[in-house]
Amino acid sequence: EVQLVQSGAEVKKPGESLKISCQASGYRFTSYWIGWVRQKPGRGLEWMGIFYPADSDTRYSPSFQGQVTISVDKSITTAYLEWSSLKASDTAIYYCIRQGGVVRELDYWGQGTLVTVSS
Amino acid sequence: SYVLTQPPSVSVAPGQTARISCGGDNIGNKNVHWYQQKPGQAPLLVIYDDDDRPSGIPERFSGSNSGNTATLTISTVEGGDEADYYCQVWDSSGHVVFGGGTTLTV
Repeated sequence: EVQLVQSGAEVKKPGESLKISCQASGYRFTSYWIGWVRQKPGRGLEWMGIFYPADSDTRYSPSFQGQVTISVDKSITTAYLEWSSLKASDTAIYYCIRQGGVVRELDYWGQGTLVTVSS
Repeated sequence: SYVLTQPPSVSVAPGQTARISCGGDNIGNKNVHWYQQKPGQAPLLVIYDDDDRPSGIPERFSGSNSGNTATLTISTVEGGDEADYYCQVWDSSGHVVFGGGTTLTV
């Protein structure tokens, strides 16, 4: 069974750094792209970017390029989303996603990690 | 950038058929995927590649895609179908694009 299990909720202050995680299991980790989607409170879904563990190819949405870093640790089948300096506008739920096969649907989603940035 | 347009809300009576549209320039040439998101839950893939259902999704859910409009159809709607629904494609730059989402009220 494919599972994406994310790290717990975080409360941070503006300017602080943060790295949240998503541990994947139940499939060959290096064979599928893995990425992140943001959802601000009461708003829609925003795609942030995606990473291919087999060759470290990374694609970012133009809206998030330079704002976050997506990485993985293949040895523990875990993906990460990292900020170097959080802003209040980063307050949102972040979902880990797996990109499926030929037609690239987002076939599995993590449970979400709530990040709250407040002074 | 590519834009997907969905109606903010759709309302149907139980047992009726709900149709949620997703408009985009020549969207008929793209693979469209649909996600259901219930309050407090992560999104769930309900239709992929225009009209295919993942394992476990009821046959009441179907999709179509032609011209400038893709449509998610939910037959014999139940109260448990109340949710936000999002369409999604990949644009020509290799980026995911989501529609703004439609709230289905039963």
